[in-house]
Amino acid sequence: DAGITQSPRHKVTETGTPVTLRCHQTENHRYMYWYRQDPGHGLRLIHYSYGVKDTDKGEVSDGYSVSRSKTEDFLLTLESATSSQTSVYFCAISESIYGYTFGSGTRLTVV
Amino acid sequence: DAKTTQPNSMESNEEEPVHLPCNHSTISGTDYIHWYRQLPSQGPEYVIHGLTSNVNNRMASLAIAEDRKSSTLILHRATLRDAAVYYCIPERNTDKLIFGTGTRLQVFP
Repeated sequence: DAGITQSPRHKVTETGTPVTLRCHQTENHRYMYWYRQDPGHGLRLIHYSYGVKDTDKGEVSDGYSVSRSKTEDFLLTLESATSSQTSVYFCAISESIYGYTFGSGTRLTVV
Repeated sequence: DAKTTQPNSMESNEEEPVHLPCNHSTISGTDYIHWYRQLPSQGPEYVIHGLTSNVNNRMASLAIAEDRKSSTLILHRATLRDAAVYYCIPERNTDKLIFGTGTRLQVFP
């Protein structure tokens, strides 16, 4: 979607390696979110941010960390990737709770 | 947290109306009801939201029961492009939305 970009779009990594996914926005929205989506589970919130350097945990935050040093960038890091973290990761932005805009997703495979 | 119940799947024929139900019996008085949909291989997209009265926009209509324990998303004329997973999300008056598993809508030509 216009205004939000996720990178990379696809990544294959080995178990135990660190991985960082990037979400970039050009909308200057305050809120940014990371979700993961797995078959049978829908979307689950990992972490979210409500401002620069202000972040909080979501439903499934174990094994993930985030950073937001600039309004436009929200990074999701897997410190030591595991096979259970194979998933599709979506970033979302919003100015308020009304109307999220989602990115196109990052498909991560941990082998 | 308000819990939702949606059918796992529904089917419709093209150009027919579709009524997607959602039960949220534990919703609080200040929770808005949000609907999002996710087309295949895409991120979710906002559809509509409402509090007490029925709401309409270019994509759909939202009918909210008088007791607010249920709502229905109405697609007036389904198209093949409306085939998606539809999520009903009661807002928890916080700064994040929690998605469930939604209803998968199939539309047949």
